[in-house]
Amino acid sequence: AQSVTQPDIHITVSEGASLELRCNYSYGATPYLFWYVQSPGQGLQLLLKYFSGDTLVQGIKGFEAEFKRSQSSFNLRKPSVHWSDAAEYFCAVGPEGTNAGKSTFGDGTTLTVKP
Amino acid sequence: DTGVSQNPRHKITKRGQNVTFRCDPISEHNRLYWYRQTLGQGPEFLTYFQNEAQLEKSRLLSDRFSAERPKGSFSTLEIQRTEQGDSAMYLCASSTGLAGQETQYFGPGTRLLVL
Repeated sequence: AQSVTQPDIHITVSEGASLELRCNYSYGATPYLFWYVQSPGQGLQLLLKYFSGDTLVQGIKGFEAEFKRSQSSFNLRKPSVHWSDAAEYFCAVGPEGTNAGKSTFGDGTTLTVKP
Repeated sequence: DTGVSQNPRHKITKRGQNVTFRCDPISEHNRLYWYRQTLGQGPEFLTYFQNEAQLEKSRLLSDRFSAERPKGSFSTLEIQRTEQGDSAMYLCASSTGLAGQETQYFGPGTRLLVL
């Protein structure tokens, strides 16, 4: 069965510092990979997604992620964090079975940004 | 395009009562998903519609849960004889486009508390 591990439950960075959120997945074939952000009281918003091709994916809000098949990882990065980036971040892998749109989510990483 | 809306945003009920949630997807999105999210965890897939057809139900969805999408537009999720373990955030998402590669747009969720 497919699975996603986000090893860091909580990360704190200073505003302006760089950020890397880790995501490791288990999947039997070529995965579809996603990163979502969830702010308090709001639904999830897609930051970026990977299906094929270039392993470095650019997303919204200055985020990028790199797919590394050999390490089964899809880490999210941002060169300079803003206070508004404080939120919970979820990595997801799909598809699952015959349901192409069905993804398995990790348990999330909460990002705190220090002034 | 006003995004995915969910009502109510919050629901407090007593154990044993029935509750119904509504999701209005982005117009003309043919796919609609329901997820459940408990504290400290990522969203878990519950069920999925393509137009009005319910194509998949998770084993998490016991017989007390039922979902409908009449006419392929809005969807309702009903929980009968609620239990305290049903307390969670219920998220709805809609999408269109190439299955598996589409962007799922999430609503703000309905937070259920069962006393």
